Amino acid sequence: DVKVTQSSRYLVKRTGEKVFLECVQDMDHENMFWYRQDPGLGLRLIYFSYDVKMKEKGDIPEGYSVSREKKERFSLILESASTNQTSMYLCASSLDTYSNQPQHFGDGTRLSIL
Amino acid sequence: QQPVQSPQAVILREGEDAVINCSSSKALYSVHWYRQKHGEAPVFLMILLKGGEQKGHDKISASFNEKKQQSSLYLTASQLSYSGTYFCGTVSSYGKLTFGQGTILTVHP
Repeated sequence: DVKVTQSSRYLVKRTGEKVFLECVQDMDHENMFWYRQDPGLGLRLIYFSYDVKMKEKGDIPEGYSVSREKKERFSLILESASTNQTSMYLCASSLDTYSNQPQHFGDGTRLSIL
Repeated sequence: QQPVQSPQAVILREGEDAVINCSSSKALYSVHWYRQKHGEAPVFLMILLKGGEQKGHDKISASFNEKKQQSSLYLTASQLSYSGTYFCGTVSSYGKLTFGQGTILTVHP
């Protein structure tokens, strides 16, 4: 069965810290995604990667960067955390970039920036 | 631009039916539907590809009207396990999957 694992369920950090969120998938999927989920706004795409070392900006990339050094691992980096980045962060992977393959999600990381 | 889901929330009793709509301002190639239970990961339900097809999944089915750029999710004879937030995701000519804001479905005994 498909498994996407996010390193932390809950994380509390301070303003200005550099924060790393890690995601690992075991399906050998080419494509991986980072979303943030906020009430009333649904899931918004931050960044995605279609291959190792490849990345593309999503709808809300400002304040974030990503790293994909290995196929199975996709990291989201908050360069200097701010309170407006307090949110639920979801990682996903899929076989195909978008159209006709499902995305498989991790359980999410609830990040609080104080 | 995010697709628009309606209604934002719906409350049902077990056995009742519900319809959740998803509308886009762009021409669509496909529509995805996911359900997320509280505290859990979103789970894939189905994908509808361009062609106006209807798909089924137990008592949950969906249609896709590409001319109207709309999709609808039909939940028949709802069960308690259907409670959760339902998201549609639309794929347009830019090839990007964009999710709607979600519809909260609550089923009471």
